[in-house]
Amino acid sequence: GQSLEQPSEVTAVEGAIVQINCTYQTSGFYGLSWYQQHDGGAPTFLSYNGLDGLEETGRFSSFLSRSDSYGYLLLQELQMKDSASYFCAVRAAGNKLTFGGGTRVLVKP
Amino acid sequence: DGGITQSPKYLFRKEGQNVTLSCEQNLNHDAMYWYRQDPGQGLRLIYYSQIVNDFQKGDIAEGYSVSREKKESFPLTVTSAQKNPTAFYLCASSGTSGSSNEQYFGPGTRLTVT
Repeated sequence: GQSLEQPSEVTAVEGAIVQINCTYQTSGFYGLSWYQQHDGGAPTFLSYNGLDGLEETGRFSSFLSRSDSYGYLLLQELQMKDSASYFCAVRAAGNKLTFGGGTRVLVKP
Repeated sequence: DGGITQSPKYLFRKEGQNVTLSCEQNLNHDAMYWYRQDPGQGLRLIYYSQIVNDFQKGDIAEGYSVSREKKESFPLTVTSAQKNPTAFYLCASSGTSGSSNEQYFGPGTRLTVT
């Protein structure tokens, strides 16, 4: 089976940097995805790491270390609109995703 | 516009009734998925289908059924056997090639059973 751990909540001010860590235990690991979900909305894809290292997409970056079963999502230059829940998800065969419990990010002015 | 539609947005049912949630996509994706989300929690996979006329159970399939008769459609039936059906249900689709196989989600159906 799969299990993922991520912090339940993070609070930061506008302009700050936030790092959301994700550790996983899994069989058949293909990669680690990150999704953003605003309250009441649908998840939207942010980033994917299939190989070790850093992937940068604008203000958001994601990192993966397969040997450590660990990844993180880095949110830079935080904006109020970044207040949302962020989920890491392990990708397995058949493009199956197993999601973590989510990290609620609250951005304060 | 390409995308995934789910209807209705809100659904209310009495205990003991089966209910079918609709999911349609015009993204020409082969794979489709159904997830359940409870308040403050992550998404849990109910069923998924990688091709028409084929589907597999996810992690929490008990009390649910699906069909995949058309590429565009993947309806989910919540049966009376599902012990705690009240939840937010999300449908997604993806391609089956490419490195990330990003999943695209519909707006969800919020089901309340009393």
